[in-house]
Amino acid sequence: DAKTTQPNSMESNEEEPVHLPCNHSTISGTDYIHWYRQLPSQGPEYVIHGLTSNVNNRMASLAIAEDRKSSTLILHRATLRDAAVYYCILRDEHGGGTSYGKLTFGQGTILTVHP
Amino acid sequence: DADVTQTPRNRITKTGKRIMLECSQTKGHDRMYWYRQDPGLGLRLIYYSFDVKDINKGEISDGYSVSRQAQAKFSLSLESAIPNQTALYFCATSERDYPGEQFFGPGTRLTVL
Repeated sequence: DAKTTQPNSMESNEEEPVHLPCNHSTISGTDYIHWYRQLPSQGPEYVIHGLTSNVNNRMASLAIAEDRKSSTLILHRATLRDAAVYYCILRDEHGGGTSYGKLTFGQGTILTVHP
Repeated sequence: DADVTQTPRNRITKTGKRIMLECSQTKGHDRMYWYRQDPGLGLRLIYYSFDVKDINKGEISDGYSVSRQAQAKFSLSLESAIPNQTALYFCATSERDYPGEQFFGPGTRLTVL
C-alpha cells in the first residue's frame, strides 16, 4: 500500500488559516486522497477527498499537487473545535481489488489551536 | 439518535474471558468495519464486511472473530481476551457505491486485566 508522511504536530491560532501537508510520493493512479480527523474522545470523521483536482467543501479545501505526490488540507479559519488529529489516507479505488474500500490510517498530525 | 452505535462503551474484563462488542447502524449501509486504536497510533483494520454474506480479514485479525447478523449489525468477538487486546475499538460503515466516506461509531474502550 502506498504510504503517506505527515508532520507529527502543528499549531495554529484561532481564526487563522491552517495548511496541513501530506506527502505521498508512491501514490498510484487509482489512489484517492482522503482526509479524516479525530476529535478528542471521538471516532474519526470524514473531512474531504480528491483525485487530481482541488476540492472544496463546507469543512475544508484540498489542494493536490500536479504530480499528485503531495497534498495540503486547508482549514480557512481555524476554530478551537478544529483541534484534532488529522489523517491523510490513500484509498485504492480500483474496483474488485483486495484493498478496495479499505482505509489505512497512519499516525496523523496533531493540530493544536490556540485562542 | 446516533447513526452508528456501539455497546458497551467501556468494558473491563480479565484474561481468558470471552468478550463481544456490538455495533448497530441505521444508515442503511452495506459495508461495515471494525478497527482498533492503540495510544498514539492510528487505527488498524481488524475485519470488514461488504455485505451480510461477505466477511474479510483486515491487517490484524488474529485473536478476533466477527459475525454479521444483519445488514445493520456487526459484532466483534474476542474468544479469549489477552492484555495486549486492551485498546479503543471503533466500528464504521460506508455505502456500497461510495466506500470512501466511512462513518464511525463513538468507540468502545476495552481493558483486559
